[in-house]
Amino acid sequence: DTGVSQDPRHKITKRGQNVTFRCDPISEHNRLYWYRQTLGQGPEFLTYFQNEAQLEKSRLLSDRFSAERPKGSFSTLEIQRTEQGDSAMYLCASSFFSGNTGELFFGEGSRLTVL
Amino acid sequence: AQKITQTQPGMFVQEKEAVTLDCTYDTSDPSYGLFWYKQPSSGEMIFLIYQGSYDQQNATEGRYSLNFQKARKSANLVISASQLGDSAMYFCAMREGMQGGSEKLVFGKGTKLTVNP
Repeated sequence: DTGVSQDPRHKITKRGQNVTFRCDPISEHNRLYWYRQTLGQGPEFLTYFQNEAQLEKSRLLSDRFSAERPKGSFSTLEIQRTEQGDSAMYLCASSFFSGNTGELFFGEGSRLTVL
Repeated sequence: AQKITQTQPGMFVQEKEAVTLDCTYDTSDPSYGLFWYKQPSSGEMIFLIYQGSYDQQNATEGRYSLNFQKARKSANLVISASQLGDSAMYFCAMREGMQGGSEKLVFGKGTKLTVNP
């Protein structure tokens, strides 16, 4: 399968623990995005990378959240000291940018439940 | 103010009939793009159709068409000949500043479409 893949698909953790999600984009895509989706809502933008550079961050991305894309390929999203309000689906998307923004291809998401 | 408004939490349609899902948007940027995504229960967001603010004609992709009324700031999705597999959540989204601006997609709250046999 050559789509966007995310791991793990489901994560249950206790409040205060750290969690990390991984996203592998479509191989030739240079842009990678993270979104968060809570129940009954549409996805909300968190951050995006072009290659390894993080170019935009939402105010939703508090200092407990950190995202990296060290080699411009896969990305990780870490949440430290999780809170119950962090429970959500974390969606990753990728696109190929060549002057005009291309279509975003989304993965199936990583669902986080914080107890 | 909400950037994207989808006023229909749920819609029902009979198989083989057409259905329109409403979307209105709010922006002062002259350059923007409007998107529709489908989200089945598996969670993946599937791109359906795109309309640029400067596009003269309404976008079409197979059974999907976008009824773009710029003056009314509406971008309704029309699905023709509904199929059972069309049952899903549908999200309208907008990106402002298409020419070098933010990459952020702003989504509406979605409409749950149920296709009845």
